[in-house]
Amino acid sequence: DADVTQTPRNRITKTGKRIMLECSQTKGHDRMYWYRQDPGLGLRLIYYSFDVKDINKGEISDGYSVSRQAQAKFSLSLESAIPNQTALYFCATSDSSGSPDTQYFGPGTRLTVL
Amino acid sequence: QKEVEQNSGPLSVPEGAIASLNCTYSDRGSQSFFWYRQYSGKSPELIMSIYSNGDKEDGRFTAQLNKASQYVSLLIRDSQPSDSATYLCAVGARGFKTIFGAGTRLFVKA
Repeated sequence: DADVTQTPRNRITKTGKRIMLECSQTKGHDRMYWYRQDPGLGLRLIYYSFDVKDINKGEISDGYSVSRQAQAKFSLSLESAIPNQTALYFCATSDSSGSPDTQYFGPGTRLTVL
Repeated sequence: QKEVEQNSGPLSVPEGAIASLNCTYSDRGSQSFFWYRQYSGKSPELIMSIYSNGDKEDGRFTAQLNKASQYVSLLIRDSQPSDSATYLCAVGARGFKTIFGAGTRLFVKA
């Protein structure tokens, strides 16, 4: 089984809809991250969490919110989706007790907002 | 100035040649450096990490770091068509967060 899983893997939705992307991990890592990837722009950090009670904004948090329900679960919500949020979204984890900067990625969620 | 810069490519090399990928970064306090490989539509996969100046070899891959020049590179020897992918350079800042470059597309011609 994959160490970092994301659901759904693909989602098509309409402008204005609320969307939740979920991430679960079995790696036992304390840190979790949400990124979006757009062609030519690389990975951009949306939110990150260093433990269950810690949530931090990344460089592009506007229009997004997150919830860290447990050490193993980190969800990303789009309260009112808009077309420019169409992108590939990745969840990642890292281990503060090991190499905290080394990140392990989930398979990604391809989101299309019409 | 971007925090982590890479040439977007594509970099095209013949099969069996050495592919050289380069990356520069702006934060002199950076302490950890990574190369990830990403196939189209897939997630990034860690292939190399390096923390001190010099070279680090792992199979066909060699990472090179020069902190004085704020430069990190990845050499792929005996390039194979299966190496065709986008290579992301990433720079870590003392366990705070990791900054990714936009990636260099590599194409290995059979």
